[in-house]
Amino acid sequence: EPEVTQTPSHQVTQMGQEVILRCVPISNHLYFYWYRQILGQKVEFLVSFYNNEISEKSEIFDDQFSVERPDGSNFTLKIRSTKLEDSAMYFCASSDPRSYGYTFGSGTRLTVV
Amino acid sequence: GQSLEQPSEVTAVEGAIVQINCTYQTSGFYGLSWYQQHDGGAPTFLSYNALDGLEETGRFSSFLSRSDSYGYLLLQELQMKDSASYFCSPEAAGNKLTFGGGTRVLVKP
Repeated sequence: EPEVTQTPSHQVTQMGQEVILRCVPISNHLYFYWYRQILGQKVEFLVSFYNNEISEKSEIFDDQFSVERPDGSNFTLKIRSTKLEDSAMYFCASSDPRSYGYTFGSGTRLTVV
Repeated sequence: GQSLEQPSEVTAVEGAIVQINCTYQTSGFYGLSWYQQHDGGAPTFLSYNALDGLEETGRFSSFLSRSDSYGYLLLQELQMKDSASYFCSPEAAGNKLTFGGGTRVLVKP
């Protein structure tokens, strides 16, 4: 069954450093998303991406965050200057308008120290 | 605006039936999705109701009443592996999923 692949599975970074989280969505999907989940809290929407541009973003997705689809397969989330409160599990997801449901990747656990 | 209500926790024994209710308020409502998330895992899509009525997928069924802004997920023949959090998410314009606090289901032997 097709799956969304995320790398790395764990990342530890120093406060103030830049991180790039990588995702390979399902190949025929058209919509891509980033969500995050702080430990013990609910899953929060960050951004959706369609047709090579951001279609919606949340208040969390401030100027420190950016997304890119640098080629036909990868979808990345960059955090420019990480803060302690950015520590969370980051999930990438993709969807196809011709079918129901999102497919989530297994996540990247980001720890900012 | 948008609001979403689910019970925070449900406990049941193996083999039992559990119903998780969901009430929502969403402008531009398209349909209601259900996701399962095990601790430390990613959300997994379970079902989607675009129309009123019951959708059955194996041991899990989902129901929607658009006029009541209400839906439920029915888990039958509960198994230990069904211990997880379950989220309803109304889908609206913009195709964005929104997760509430979810319902934690604890299955006991």
